[in-house]
Amino acid sequence: EAQVTQNPRYLITVTGKKLTVTCSQNMNHEYMSWYRQDPGLGLRQIYYSMNVEVTDKGDVPEGYKVSRKEKRNFPLILESPSPNQTSLYFCASSPQPERTGLWAEAFFGQGTRLTVV
Amino acid sequence: QKEVEQNSGPLSVPEGAIASLNCTYSDRVSQSFFWYRQYSGKSPELIMSIYSNGDKEDGRFTAQLNKASQYVSLLIRDSQPSDSATYLCAVNPSPSGGSYIPTFGRGTSLIVHP
Repeated sequence: EAQVTQNPRYLITVTGKKLTVTCSQNMNHEYMSWYRQDPGLGLRQIYYSMNVEVTDKGDVPEGYKVSRKEKRNFPLILESPSPNQTSLYFCASSPQPERTGLWAEAFFGQGTRLTVV
Repeated sequence: QKEVEQNSGPLSVPEGAIASLNCTYSDRVSQSFFWYRQYSGKSPELIMSIYSNGDKEDGRFTAQLNKASQYVSLLIRDSQPSDSATYLCAVNPSPSGGSYIPTFGRGTSLIVHP
């Protein structure tokens, strides 16, 4: 079954304690990305990766790190979480845009609800 | 700043009616357009994708795109209570423009009442 798997699904942590949210996809997609979703603000992209070892900032990258050492995995790292990073996080993957320049749809993971106290 | 605008709603329609959801976008070079349905606390799931001007139908769903007016819409015919969710409009730019960041609207809440 084609899927994007995030772990953990729920996490409560304290300010300043480093954490990693894992993301794995089994569709051999080149493009992977992380979003956060907050009430009234919608989905905002944190970081994206066009392929292995290629990552770039999205719209809201401050306070986050990512790495893409393997095609299937794209972990999100919070080195020193703060309460304003309390949010619902989604990982997503898509195939590279085709030669025509058209994106295919993104497949989303189940989400990780993070609370930083 | 690229923007995708949606009316937050809620849009309330009776069961069996047509629900019409609208989205406008600011980036003229956008090429790929998607509608996602999201239930509360769940991940977005794709409903429709559209790339060319005009209508695209899939079952009870019809997506409409007008690039000249920078407008994309989603029609849901014979609305069911199970269609009650938030609908997200997503716009992807042309990669040839050097941007790889999609923009999502904030979503329209749809309520279908029996």
